[in-house]
Amino acid sequence: EVQLVESGGGLVQPGGSLRLSCAASGFSISDHYIDWVRQAPGKGLEWVGRSRNKANSYTTEYAASVKGRFTISRDDSKNSLYLQMNSLKTDDTAVYYCARAYCNNINCLGIDYWGQGTLVTVSS
Amino acid sequence: DIQMTQSPSSLSASVGDRVTITCRASQGISNYLAWFQQKPGKAPKSLIYAASNLQSGVPSKFSGSGSGTDFTLTISSLQPEDFATYYCQQQNSYPLTFGGGTKVESK
Repeated sequence: EVQLVESGGGLVQPGGSLRLSCAASGFSISDHYIDWVRQAPGKGLEWVGRSRNKANSYTTEYAASVKGRFTISRDDSKNSLYLQMNSLKTDDTAVYYCARAYCNNINCLGIDYWGQGTLVTVSS
Repeated sequence: DIQMTQSPSSLSASVGDRVTITCRASQGISNYLAWFQQKPGKAPKSLIYAASNLQSGVPSKFSGSGSGTDFTLTISSLQPEDFATYYCQQQNSYPLTFGGGTKVESK
């Protein structure tokens, strides 16, 4: 069974840092693109970034709102993905989801599995 | 960036109704469009990929159509478990973008 489990959320002060983890089971993350998506309280979904698979050299893409502050990394030996968040702002307060992209050999066509999310609160 | 506009932002419907939600892209995205369902306090659930293909396990009362800039999600006969918020997302180009959501409420 495919599962994604996020952890690492919590309360952090503006300007601080936090690292989220996404532990995968039931599949090998090295074969898949993985996204981070967030949702501020009472708001819609916002794409944060993507990590491509091993075949595509684990390259990454980011939303403009987080580029230069957030970094996605992987540890294939732990079958896990990470979101390092630096210089946090109050606007980064959200539930953060990791999600497995559904891709063929050429393009990504959607998302097939989501984690349950982890809440990040940025406040003084 | 590609803007995704959903309409309506909310709708009221009754059990058994046919419901249609529209998603419009600010530029052509071929069929790189996905739909998601989200209930309060829960993670999103994937419904459709590539505009018209059901994810595994999704009931056939859901269907998607469209290509280019205009897309629709249809629920053929609304059931109590279908009251939720629905989002579209384009997968054509970065940054990936979501529509603002459509909340389906009970009339």
